[in-house]
Amino acid sequence: DGGITQSPKYLFRKEGQNVTLSCEQNLNHDAMYWYRQDPGQGLRLIYYSQIVNDFQKGDIAEGYSVSREKKESFPLTVTSAQKNPTAFYLCASTGTSGRALNTGELFFGEGSRLTVL
Amino acid sequence: DAKTTQPNSMESNEEEPVHLPCNHSTISGTDYIHWYRQLPSQGPEYVIHGLTSNVNNRMASLAIAEDRKSSTLILHRATLRDAAVYYCILSAAYSGAGSYQLTFGKGTKLSVIP
Repeated sequence: DGGITQSPKYLFRKEGQNVTLSCEQNLNHDAMYWYRQDPGQGLRLIYYSQIVNDFQKGDIAEGYSVSREKKESFPLTVTSAQKNPTAFYLCASTGTSGRALNTGELFFGEGSRLTVL
Repeated sequence: DAKTTQPNSMESNEEEPVHLPCNHSTISGTDYIHWYRQLPSQGPEYVIHGLTSNVNNRMASLAIAEDRKSSTLILHRATLRDAAVYYCILSAAYSGAGSYQLTFGKGTKLSVIP
């Protein structure tokens, strides 16, 4: 089945360490997104990419970096510059065919929960 | 982006209908109304969307006010699996040519009582 796979599901990090969260999709979607969610809050956009080798900052990009070398993959690195990285991270994608073309429906992964010790 | 207002929480008894309201008084003529829901510790999932007319699908119905300043998500028979946070979001029409950024507020936390 097509979908979005995020890994790891849970991750613990010591302060000062960089960590990379993986996001892979086999939906043939062009656009991919990273969101951050804090407890009891909505989702905030970190970065998004419309096409391979191109990405733009979202509302809270500071302390994060991304790459888009392949259409299927959009990894997020949480750097040591991110002062409060403990959160739930969600990856999403949007397609350009079928139902996604008409609605812009976002397809989400299961999320990665990062805890800084 | 135009803003939406939703109640923080609602309760429903199992197997009864649920009406989740959303106010969007500053909606523009081309904004679509989307609903997503998020189960605990999962990513949000699409529920339904509409522009002007009421919409039905296998998950829910969307009732849109005539002036489009409010809408209501209707779950016809609530089940325990419907307990989730429901987000009402506005966005411009998706052109298919690029990214599509939806802004998720805090939503309404729906509790279903057995």
